[in-house]
Amino acid sequence: GQSLEQPSEVTAVEGAIVQINCTYQTSGFYGLSWYQQHDGGAPTFLSYNALDGLEETGRFSSFLSRSDSYGYLLLQELQMKDSASYFCAVPAGGTPLVFGKGTRLSVIA
Amino acid sequence: DADVTQTPRNRITKTGKRIMLECSQTKGHDRMYWYRQDPGLGLRLIYYSFDVKDINKGEISDGYSVSRQAQAKFSLSLESAIPNQTALYFCATSDFTGSSYNEQFFGPGTRLTVL
Repeated sequence: GQSLEQPSEVTAVEGAIVQINCTYQTSGFYGLSWYQQHDGGAPTFLSYNALDGLEETGRFSSFLSRSDSYGYLLLQELQMKDSASYFCAVPAGGTPLVFGKGTRLSVIA
Repeated sequence: DADVTQTPRNRITKTGKRIMLECSQTKGHDRMYWYRQDPGLGLRLIYYSFDVKDINKGEISDGYSVSRQAQAKFSLSLESAIPNQTALYFCATSDFTGSSYNEQFFGPGTRLTVL
């Protein structure tokens, strides 16, 4: 089976940098993805890492270490609108995504 | 117009009632999914379908059934609703590109309350 662990809550100051970690256990690994969900909204895709290393998309970056079964989402120059829940997820072979329980990020002034 | 739509957006029902949640998409994707979200538990997969003739159970399929009426339509039914099925339900779609991962596109969700 698959399981993912991520912190339940993180608080950071506007303009700062925050890192949200995710560790996973899966019987077959194909990559780690991240989704953002604002309160009352639908999850939206942020990033996907299939290979080790850092992928950058604007203010957001995502890192993967397959040997450590670990990844993180890095948010830079935090803005109030970044306050949301962030989910890591893994696709397991032919089955669809298995999600972590989510990290609620609160950005404070 | 939204690419993935869900109806109804909100529903309050009573224990024992049959409920159907509908999902339609205009993205032309073959793969469709139903997830349930409860506070603190993330998104859990109920059922998924890779094409019209393919239906698969997910992690928490007990008490639910689905119907894939067409490529664009995937319905979730609760045959006899119970209070612990009170949750936020999301439909999602993805394309099949032959790679091991496909981005999923979510509908706006249906908030279901079972009294």
